[in-house]
Amino acid sequence: QQQVKQSPQSLIVQKGGISIINCAYENTAFDYFPWYQQFPGKGPALLIAIRPDVSEKKEGRFTISFNKSAKQFSLHIMDSQPGDSATYFCAAHKRDYGGSQGNLIFGKGTKLSVKP
Amino acid sequence: EAQVTQNPRYLITVTGKKLTVTCSQNMNHEYMSWYRQDPGLGLRQIYYSMNVEVTDKGDVPEGYKVSRKEKRNFPLILESPSPNQTSLYFCASGFSLGTGNTEAFFGQGTRLTVV
Repeated sequence: QQQVKQSPQSLIVQKGGISIINCAYENTAFDYFPWYQQFPGKGPALLIAIRPDVSEKKEGRFTISFNKSAKQFSLHIMDSQPGDSATYFCAAHKRDYGGSQGNLIFGKGTKLSVKP
Repeated sequence: EAQVTQNPRYLITVTGKKLTVTCSQNMNHEYMSWYRQDPGLGLRQIYYSMNVEVTDKGDVPEGYKVSRKEKRNFPLILESPSPNQTSLYFCASGFSLGTGNTEAFFGQGTRLTVV
C-alpha cells in the first residue's frame, strides 16, 4: 500500500515557468513533510520541509503548499531553471506513537526537465 | 564540509560472497540510516540507528545487517548477497524532529550488482 502518492512521474517545463509537483497522503500520523532533490549520480538532498501546522513555506524559488484537510502537499518551483532539472521526491515522516522513531515514507519521484 | 561518505561507489560481486559497504558522517549526528533505491519502488529504508549500539529494522531488512560501534560510522553488511539485492544503496544521517528522527544528508550512493 503506497502511503505517499506523488504525481506526475515526469514533468517538462520551459525556463522561467512554474514547476508544480503534488503529493497526497492518507495517514494522519504523518508529522513532517520534506522534499528532496536528486541529481543523476548523486544522493537525495533535503530541499525544503514543512510541518502540518503551517500552510505554506517558502525558501527562495521553492515553496511548499500544505493542505491538511485534503491531505495534500505540493512543491512549487518558481522561475524554473535548467539547473533545477532533477528528480524530486516528497516524503512524510510517520510518527511512531509506540516508540520514539517513526520512519520516513517516500513518494516515487518526479523527474523534472527544464528546457532552455 | 558536511558530508556522508560511502564506499565503494560501485561494486560487482558474486552470489554468497560477504560484503560490507561503509558509511561515515562528519556532522556528529546521532541518527543514521540505510536505504535502497529501485526503479518503480523509490527509496525504501533497510535499517536505522538512533545512536551508538542502537539499531532497528526498517521496511526491508531481510538479508542485511548493520552495526553502530561509533557515532560516525554505520556499515551495511550483506552476509550472503543474492541477485535480488542488486540495487542502489544510500546511507543517510539526520536530526531529531522531537517526534522521531529524519534524514537530512545522503551519501553519494553505492551501486551494487550481485551476479
